[in-house]
This record gives sequence, structure tokens and C-alpha cells, in this order.
Amino acid sequence: SYELTQPPSVSVSPGQTASITCSGDKLGNIHACWYQQKPGQSPVLVIYEDTKRPSGIPERFSGSNSGDTATLTISGTQAMDEADYYCQAWDSSAAVFGGGTKLTVL
Amino acid sequence: EVQLVESGGGLVQPGGSLRLSCAGSAFTFSSYWMHWVRQAPGKGLVWVSRIKGDGSSTSYADSVKGRFTISRDNAKNTLYLQMNSLRADDTAVYYCVRDGATVTTYFDYWGQGTLVTVSS
Repeated sequence: SYELTQPPSVSVSPGQTASITCSGDKLGNIHACWYQQKPGQSPVLVIYEDTKRPSGIPERFSGSNSGDTATLTISGTQAMDEADYYCQAWDSSAAVFGGGTKLTVL
Repeated sequence: EVQLVESGGGLVQPGGSLRLSCAGSAFTFSSYWMHWVRQAPGKGLVWVSRIKGDGSSTSYADSVKGRFTISRDNAKNTLYLQMNSLRADDTAVYYCVRDGATVTTYFDYWGQGTLVTVSS
């Protein structure tokens, strides 16, 4: 079965750029998306189809996907961006999630 | 505003059954694939099942195949998940999610989740 791999944790200073990676075999050939989940809340879609931002998501969130790696980039990271982030792709007839990355803003 | 509201969670003994419901509003329910995604306490997101807008096609994760059944009633704008032969490792918050797919599946709206606890 298809697998997506994320680093368990990423740390960033306020105002700096955070990058969270998601690795999977030939991931660049299929579309990836990203969700943000804060404690006690439901996930929120922040990037879909590799690079698109839903309405209401700040411009500081961006995505890319090439080769075996998709990347979520948060520019000018704010304290409110501290959360768990999950990548997701569709393989055959099942959705696959990465294990999640805890983003700490310190 | 699109809303998804789950209900039906609770405490059930191993081997028991439970039916989850999800009421959708403010969108044309029958036009969308709908899914269930679960999250065990302190763990990550796991896809469970999906159903096509007209109910004609379904698919399941291997871990629930043969035990869970997804269905929908478009007249009531409601999604269901019938869960049988429940096990301790089915304990999780279950989210109802809408598939916003244009090119490929992504989950654009999530419910608040309903907690299912399987324990004796």
C-alpha cells in the first residue's frame, strides 16, 4: 500500500519560513494536499492540488510537489500557525495521509 | 455556510455495533462524494470509507472492510456509517468529510467529529 512520510516535528522562529515535507513514491505524479489541525479542533484544508489555496487561507501558506516530495511552506510564520500538519494524496481507491508534523513556533 | 454535523458516537463493547450519522447542509449533498475519516486519541488521520454522490459506488480501508458499511440518504442530506464487530482499535473520533474533488480527492469541509469508544 502507498505510504506518505512526514517529519514528526519542525520548529521555526516567529517571522521565519517553515517548510514541512511529505515523501512518497512518485508523489509528484499525483496531487497532494495539506491540512492544519489545532488541538481539540477538526482539520482544516490549507493547500489542495499541490499549490492551490482555499478561500480564507492566508497567502503565507504555499505548496509545491515534484519528484517524490511535496512541501508545505509557511512564510512569515505566526504563533497562530502552531499546529499539526498532515499531507494527503489519493492512491488507487484509497486516501492516504502522512503521519503528521507538529509545527512549533518558538 | 457548508455544515456537517455528526452524531451517534458513544461507548460500545467489543463485538458490538454502532451507527454514525452525518447531516449536511448548505450545499447540494447529492453532488458530492462523501467520506469518513477517523483519528485515534493522540494519533494521526486515517481514511475509512467513501461513497459516491448517487450512492452507486463505495470503497473501504482494508482495516474496516467487511465490518463497516457506508450509505447515504440524499433525500435527508444524511451520510451513515454502520459499524459492526467493533474492536478496541476502532476507538477514535470519526469525522464526516466532503470531497471537494475537481482533479483528485481532497477534503474541503469537515464535521466536528463524534467519538467512538470500544471498551468493556
